[in-house]
Amino acid sequence: SQQGEEDPQALSIQEGENATMNCSYKTSINNLQWYRQNSGRGLVHLILIRSNEREKHSGRLRVTLDTSKKSSSLLITASRAADTASYFCATVTTARQLTFGSGTQLTVLP
Amino acid sequence: DADVTQTPRNRITKTGKRIMLECSQTKGHDRMYWYRQDPGLGLRLIYYSFDVKDINKGEISDGYSVSRQAQAKFSLSLESAIPNQTALYFCATSDWSLGGTDTQYFGPGTRLTVL
Repeated sequence: SQQGEEDPQALSIQEGENATMNCSYKTSINNLQWYRQNSGRGLVHLILIRSNEREKHSGRLRVTLDTSKKSSSLLITASRAADTASYFCATVTTARQLTFGSGTQLTVLP
Repeated sequence: DADVTQTPRNRITKTGKRIMLECSQTKGHDRMYWYRQDPGLGLRLIYYSFDVKDINKGEISDGYSVSRQAQAKFSLSLESAIPNQTALYFCATSDWSLGGTDTQYFGPGTRLTVL
């Protein structure tokens, strides 16, 4: 079964709004990563947060991690039509195995 | 990522044919992976390789085989293709160095259709 599960499965927002996606996982992790996939393309790494970190920023991206709840969230601020894509969380266990979640399809309407 | 290339990018074949998908990387990473993605779904791991002599089955290895010809090359074969192997296939690499983050770098994908 998937280590990481994203919620919601699909999200549709207007340009300029913020988009929040959540990821829950089951076992202890070394780090958690978020990837983006444009339709039919390979995944691209966006941001990584280590297990001893609680929040991280990169441009318009903000990631939080709550290891007590085994959950993470990805916030995209001031979304643009070009942010339309699928977003996947990936957990890296302490045994350094990486597993992808099922993804959130984000649609940003102009 | 141009550092990870896949050939072919698209392939249409018939049931029963043998197909090979190839992956090359210039990132110098030891670990390489093959994933399958079906429409609207996440990635499922087919095989992964820690180095040339270490190959491991993933979640869905039945019907597939792999060959790690060199550190930079990892091929996926479908010995006798069947229609439910129609999918998007991705190769990826990661850095297994001490203290590494295991971030994966993906190729552009191969869209395979089995008729």
